[in-house]
Amino acid sequence: GQNIDQPTEMTATEGAIVQINCTYQTSGFNGLFWYQQHAGEAPTFLSYNVLDGLEEKGRFSSFLSRSKGYSYLLLKELQMKDSASYLCAVLDSNYQLIWGAGTKLIIKP
Amino acid sequence: IAGITQAPTSQILAAGRRMTLRCTQDMRHNAMYWYRQDLGLGLRLIHYSNTAGTTGKGEVPDGYSVSRANTDDFPLTLASAVPSQTSVYFCASSDSTSSGDTQYFGPGTRLTVL
Repeated sequence: GQNIDQPTEMTATEGAIVQINCTYQTSGFNGLFWYQQHAGEAPTFLSYNVLDGLEEKGRFSSFLSRSKGYSYLLLKELQMKDSASYLCAVLDSNYQLIWGAGTKLIIKP
Repeated sequence: IAGITQAPTSQILAAGRRMTLRCTQDMRHNAMYWYRQDLGLGLRLIHYSNTAGTTGKGEVPDGYSVSRANTDDFPLTLASAVPSQTSVYFCASSDSTSSGDTQYFGPGTRLTVL
């Protein structure tokens, strides 16, 4: 079967750095997405990786290793508004997104 | 530009009733999707449409139907609602189903079936 694993919840301090990991086993791979979802709101796009390596976008970076079936999202200079769930999703061989359950990130002052 | 709109925002429905969730996008995207989101689970694909006039089944299609008469609209119908269909429903769209095409989400419909 297809499986996306992420930690259920993480806590970090305002101003710090946090890394959210995602491991996947899917039928085929056509890219990996990270989305942010604030409570009660829709998911919004953060990043997309299809090749191995690090993609940096402001305070957020995303890393992919296809051989290890592994990705992480790195958030720097954490702000209170970063408190949200972070969803990892893989585009499989049928070009359908397979979603992880999400990681709830709690930021403390 | 509104992006994607969904209606209603929330609904309480008696079991056995028929219900249509509406979704409209103004981005001229070819592909559209319906997901349900339940606590502790990832988003699960119900149905999708790669282009107007075509639809396909996702991971959890039973009890749901869709139509795609034009590019903008993608309604989801529950023919006879059951309590297990209580969930938050998100509609999404993307330019195509190719690699790298971002899916954009509507605000969601919170449905409770009693």
